[in-house]
Amino acid sequence: TQLLEQSPQFLSIQEGENLTVYCNSSSVFSSLQWYRQEPGEGPVLLVTVVTGGEVKKLKRLTFQFGDARKDSSLHITAAQPGDTGLYLCAGDSGGSNYKLTFGKGTLLTVNP
Amino acid sequence: SAVISQKPSRDICQRGTSLTIQCQVDSQVTMMFWYRQQPGQSLTLIATANQGSEATYESGFVIDKFPISRPNLTFSTLTVSNMSPEDSSIYLCSVEASRNKKTQYFGPGTRLLVL
Repeated sequence: TQLLEQSPQFLSIQEGENLTVYCNSSSVFSSLQWYRQEPGEGPVLLVTVVTGGEVKKLKRLTFQFGDARKDSSLHITAAQPGDTGLYLCAGDSGGSNYKLTFGKGTLLTVNP
Repeated sequence: SAVISQKPSRDICQRGTSLTIQCQVDSQVTMMFWYRQQPGQSLTLIATANQGSEATYESGFVIDKFPISRPNLTFSTLTVSNMSPEDSSIYLCSVEASRNKKTQYFGPGTRLLVL
């Protein structure tokens, strides 16, 4: 069974601070996806990383896929209250199986 | 991206009863997925539903408890049968993305409380 460990589980910071959340596994994934889920909503896809060592930027968010495709990180610069939410990473094991393995998430609170 | 709606958005039910959750997509999709998200937990896949075939259930989930219908390419239902308080959860449907099949788009979820 493939597992994804996310850390930290909870993070409360002040507006303007930077933060990094991590998603780690002992298994190799074909791709890793990051989702953000706001209270009362379903998860919304932020990015997919496919290539080992890949870095993608989405405004103030920077996503990195580890060289061995076993881990990923999400860095947020100058966090804003609108960044508050549950950040989930999800791994795709590849092949014809479309199942995703989800981490437990990082609950981020950005205080004004 | 696909637009997905779920009904009901939330419900409070008595133990022993059943609730059917509907998932509607604004485009035709081959694969739909049903997840459960218990309080403070991540998403757990219940089953994969392909149109025209029986749903494929994950370990720990059975058809008698969570029957699924998939009558066409834009619609699916999940029934939570003979409910107990342990079934209190958020139930989410998702669909495979059409251009990049490695991603999924999620509905807003159905928040279920069983008393």
